[in-house]
Order: sequence, then C-alpha cells, then structure tokens
Amino acid sequence: DAGVTQSPTHLIKTRGQQVTLRCSPISGHKSVSWYQQVLGQGPQFIFQYYEKEERGRGNFPDRFSARQFPNYSSELNVNALLLGDSALYLCASSLLPSNQPQHFGDGTRLSIL
Amino acid sequence: QQQVKQSPQSLIVQKGGISIINCAYENTAFDYFPWYQQFPGKGPALLIAIRPDVSEKKEGRFTISFNKSAKQFSLHIMDSQPGDSATYFCAASLRIGNEKLTFGTGTRLTIIP
Repeated sequence: DAGVTQSPTHLIKTRGQQVTLRCSPISGHKSVSWYQQVLGQGPQFIFQYYEKEERGRGNFPDRFSARQFPNYSSELNVNALLLGDSALYLCASSLLPSNQPQHFGDGTRLSIL
Repeated sequence: QQQVKQSPQSLIVQKGGISIINCAYENTAFDYFPWYQQFPGKGPALLIAIRPDVSEKKEGRFTISFNKSAKQFSLHIMDSQPGDSATYFCAASLRIGNEKLTFGTGTRLTIIP
C-alpha cells in the first residue's frame, strides 16, 4: 500500500508570494494533519482535519490555511510568504482522529528567497 | 506546559552498544508517547509508542521505558547498528491521533563501527 504522498517535493518561492502544498493520505485514512519542521527542530503542529472539518489548529498566523476534500486529500495554503516560512512541511494521516497513530509523508521542502 | 524536553541533542555510540535517549514532559494530561525515526530527506517514521498504563514496551531491539511519577520516558536501542544512525524524536499527545503531537527537539544518533 502506498504511504502518505506529498507534492511537490521541493518548492522555491519569493517573499510575498503564495503557495499551495498537497497531501494524499494512506488509503482508508480519514484524518490529515499538517506540521512545519524548521531545520534542526522537531515538527510543529499546524492543522488537523477530519471529514473536511478543522479539528485543531496550532499557533500559526492566519496566513496559513488548509482544507480537506471529499476523497480525504488535503491542501495547505500559505499567503504572503516570509523568509521564516522556509521549512519542511509534513503531512500525516491516521485512520480516525482518535486511537490511531499518525503516519508521515516525506514532506515538501519550501525555500523562500 | 505543552513542551517535551529531549536529551541529548546528539549521541555517538559504538556498534553493538546501547543507545539511550531521554524525554521529559510537564502536562500530565498527555497519554500517548510515540518515538519517531527520521532519516535525511525523509519524513518521520513511527518506531514504537507507549501509553502511561504500562512501564515498558519492547519491539525487537527498541524499548520504551516510562516513568509516570517522574514524567519521563526513554528510548533504548539495543545492539545499535550503523543503519540506526538517524535523528530520533520523542512526542506526546493528549489522545492517540486525536490531538496534535508535541515533539521534542530531536537527538542525532551516530553509530560508529
């Protein structure tokens, strides 16, 4: 079975631009979470979605938004990019929002120039 | 109170030795404690996890020891191999997959021949 897939794998943007990152969960998984991992640090929680509803939000500005589609895939959008948004963006999926471990994709490496 | 503190930041162990990574938490409402292994260019991979109703869990060469009263847990890698060289993250959440994972800062483990 395919794991969590994310696209694109790498992305270069300039300050002020907008970016959309995509995630396909493991088949049958209905919950998707997004994390930001800055180089040398642990992942930081951004959002969790289940059945197209936002279930949790981390301490990130409103420039960050996300949504989940009927097929349980998800998009993360970041507006007005800042240099500090340069990071590895990880998507994790789980079968349900509770009582299931989260499995991560390999992420999208976003570089802001 | 949401932090998870991880030590050491880096660790060098000889092949065949025991690698030990420690984590401590403050929030007594945490009830799920996974460990993730991350190789360069890859997303975190779930290694082993424990709930606070047990003091130890073993899977192959990997063992989690959990001390609820001290609010500490540790990962032990027995018979460490060069292929174990990676960054290890401890994490905690309020419910399995339901709430966000709060990660430690990571330990870069290097196994030398």
